[in-house]
Amino acid sequence: GAVVSQHPSWVICKSGTSVKIECRSLDFQATTMFWYRQFPKQSLMLMATSNEGSKATYEQGVEKDKFLINHASLTLSTLTVTSAHPEDSSFYICSAPRGGSNEKLFFGSGTQLSVL
Amino acid sequence: TQLLEQSPQFLSIQEGENLTVYCNSSSVFSSLQWYRQEPGEGPVLLVTVVTGGEVKKLKRLTFQFGDARKDSSLHITAAQPGDTGLYLCAGARGTSYGKLTFGQGTILTVHP
Repeated sequence: GAVVSQHPSWVICKSGTSVKIECRSLDFQATTMFWYRQFPKQSLMLMATSNEGSKATYEQGVEKDKFLINHASLTLSTLTVTSAHPEDSSFYICSAPRGGSNEKLFFGSGTQLSVL
Repeated sequence: TQLLEQSPQFLSIQEGENLTVYCNSSSVFSSLQWYRQEPGEGPVLLVTVVTGGEVKKLKRLTFQFGDARKDSSLHITAAQPGDTGLYLCAGARGTSYGKLTFGQGTILTVHP
């Protein structure tokens, strides 16, 4: 079964609205989670590292005010796409390492965001 | 910036054929992972290679890590339609767990 749960699986919203995506580690605690973005038929691009109890670390070129990340507990990280625009439409995926090793990195099932 | 060049980008073959996907970089990675992703789902880890020259087998899949830990390959023997999917290689940067650099991906289609 899934060890990282991501919700919702898909969302359609109007331009200008905000969308929140949740990522939960189901049977382990994750002090760090990672958010990726994937365009159709392309690879995953790391957006930011979510750190429990502290500020997220954003990759170069990713607007922190646009993509708000909150990691309020050891099992939950949220990504909020603020004032969404059509160009924000994409597949967003979170991941969490279990056991502190790359070998035990688990991905959520992803969220398909479509902004009209 | 550590880049991973993955090739080929697209691969369309008949059932029973063999194939190899390559992942190359000019940088050294502490480990390299291979994932398979189905449409609308997150990637699923297939294997992690850590040691230069390491070879791992997973049924009909053979993974190899280059001696210098800069490149890797995935070889599939006697491909099946069920192997169809997006295959991604990803390199880890030091001890930054989860901060993976992904290759561009290979879309594999195996026709019955």
